[in-house]
Amino acid sequence: QVQLQESGPGLVKASETLSLTCTVSGAYIGAYYWTWVRQPAGKGPEWIGRMYISGTTNYNPSLKSRVTMSADTSKNQLFLKLTSVTAADTAVYYCARWNNFLDSWGQGTLVTVSS
Amino acid sequence: QSVLTQPPSVSGAPGQRVTISCTGSRSNIGAGYDVHWYQQLPGIAPKVLIYGNTNRPSGVPDRFSGFKSGTSASLAITGLQADDEADYYCQSYDSRLSGYVFGTGTKVTVL
Repeated sequence: QVQLQESGPGLVKASETLSLTCTVSGAYIGAYYWTWVRQPAGKGPEWIGRMYISGTTNYNPSLKSRVTMSADTSKNQLFLKLTSVTAADTAVYYCARWNNFLDSWGQGTLVTVSS
Repeated sequence: QSVLTQPPSVSGAPGQRVTISCTGSRSNIGAGYDVHWYQQLPGIAPKVLIYGNTNRPSGVPDRFSGFKSGTSASLAITGLQADDEADYYCQSYDSRLSGYVFGTGTKVTVL
């Protein structure tokens, strides 16, 4: 059974870069598409982007200029970087496996952007 | 603002049937892209209930069913139970936005 675990700073200062790691177990990251999704408190999920390790990466057009998704297959880890953050980027961030739909999710990690 | 619109809330008594609509457009649901439905309990990550418009993953009760027609989709819950109280989101792909989109979300309350 695949398991995903997000990790990273829970507090990021405005204008700085948000960096998160998703450690995957039970599945080789090179064999699937992987996504990042975020959810501000009290709001619905927002798709950030989708990556296939040896293929293309697609980003939400509204975030594309600030987002980078990458991976380390030797550690079976995924990475998310979001630059120039503002309070609007405060949310729970999830990594999830895309298997024609989002079939496995991490527990999520809350990132708060402080001024 | 999401391109997939859901009613903010629906409610029903235990045992009743409720439906949640997901209204899209010709660039997403109407273009033939699959609709998936997720259930989110408070403080927990979403979990897929229906994938590919009508399919249930193993372990999801057959009380949950999905439908799609034209530019809309819907999720039906029959035999409503107390632990069905949750937020429900539809999700699809939008060709105009070139990305995946979630619905606005619906809170189900069991009276």
